[in-house]
Amino acid sequence: AQSVTQLDSQVPVFEEAPVELRCNYSSSVSVYLFWYVQYPNQGLQLLLKYLSGSTLVKSINGFEAEFNKSQTSFHLRKPSVHISDTAEYFCAVSGLTGFQKLVFGTGTRLLVSP
Amino acid sequence: IAGITQAPTSQILAAGRRMTLRCTQDMRHNAMYWYRQDLGLGLRLIHYSNTAGTTGKGEVPDGYSVSRANTDDFPLTLASAVPSQTSVYFCASTEQPNTGELFFGEGSRLTVL
Repeated sequence: AQSVTQLDSQVPVFEEAPVELRCNYSSSVSVYLFWYVQYPNQGLQLLLKYLSGSTLVKSINGFEAEFNKSQTSFHLRKPSVHISDTAEYFCAVSGLTGFQKLVFGTGTRLLVSP
Repeated sequence: IAGITQAPTSQILAAGRRMTLRCTQDMRHNAMYWYRQDLGLGLRLIHYSNTAGTTGKGEVPDGYSVSRANTDDFPLTLASAVPSQTSVYFCASTEQPNTGELFFGEGSRLTVL
């Protein structure tokens, strides 16, 4: 079984500042890793994912995450945030084989202020 | 616009009543899921279906049932609602379960009094 830990429930940051949202996972097998974003009163949307290959993955809106197997981490970063990035961010993990079900972390609320 | 439709958007329900949350997708995805979202707990899987005609239990299945009579519909039923089932419920689907790209509906907010 897999589990995900997002230690920060809320991260306040000023506009144009850098941000890092932390995610650590636990698994006895190899995993796929994901970040989902939830804007207010909406469902979740996939932001980026790591399946294989390069450990650094990027989204179209400037976010990136790096898979670190030795530290079992998949932290999400953005060098300069916008007001519109205010949302809740969920890290998720799944195993590689069979019919997989995503396991989500508890979420981190990113609050960007002017 | 293709996607997932959930109904109702919001509902207040008396304890003990039966309630069905509807979920319909038009993407012809084989796999569908029901999650509940609670503050501080994130999303927890209630039930899933990897193809029409089959269902499985997730992390928190007690008090809920599902059916998958066809590819498009995946209703979630609360046979006798209790206050602890107050939550926001999300339906999701995917074409490829192993790649993790789920498409979510906009949620159904349920309050059980």
